[in-house]
Amino acid sequence: GIQVEQSPPDLILQEGANSTLRCNFSDSVNNLQWFHQNPWGQLINLFYIPSGTKQNGRLSATTVATERYSLLYISSSQTTDSGVYFCAVAPGGSEKLVFGKGTKLTVNP
Amino acid sequence: ETGVTQTPRHLVMGMTNKKSLKCEQHLGHNAMYWYKQSAKKPLELMFVYSLEERVENNSVPSRFSPECPNSSHLFLHLHTLQPEDSALYLCASSHGYIQYFGAGTRLSVL
Repeated sequence: GIQVEQSPPDLILQEGANSTLRCNFSDSVNNLQWFHQNPWGQLINLFYIPSGTKQNGRLSATTVATERYSLLYISSSQTTDSGVYFCAVAPGGSEKLVFGKGTKLTVNP
Repeated sequence: ETGVTQTPRHLVMGMTNKKSLKCEQHLGHNAMYWYKQSAKKPLELMFVYSLEERVENNSVPSRFSPECPNSSHLFLHLHTLQPEDSALYLCASSHGYIQYFGAGTRLSVL
């Protein structure tokens, strides 16, 4: 099946810093989503981005489908950005999302 | 608030108990999902229901039994669980590609 690798596994930042999270996947996909899981377990969808670039406030994402990777950018990080960021993908025609292991982000004040 | 509600939020059960997890969505979505999140492991898809029909059963042991009585409700019936079944169980719904998750039920099996 499709493989999803996220890097780095852990990231510690000071408030105000910028960061880039990476997601590599092993096969072509028609569905790629980025999620944020807060410390209480709630998963929030950040972006649906099988290709191209999107921005939402301090967050932006880029997926280069031909090279099988996606990047999530967090600018001017805040303590509320802490949590685990997951990339999830599904191959064409599948409803089955495959998740990476996540990047655990800690933003210190 | 994502529009997907899961109850209970926490559950402790013995290995001989029978319990059920409930998921409810009022987003008008036509697909619902159960995921399992164990410590140090990626989220694992357990079941998918599309238009109230089960379309995916990801080799889940029979001690987990899903039920989807209508497009707004999804249950996960649990019986004779094992300690290794302790995990966060997440429900999601979708209409199209984007999935919306509930806050999860944290299950501990003693």
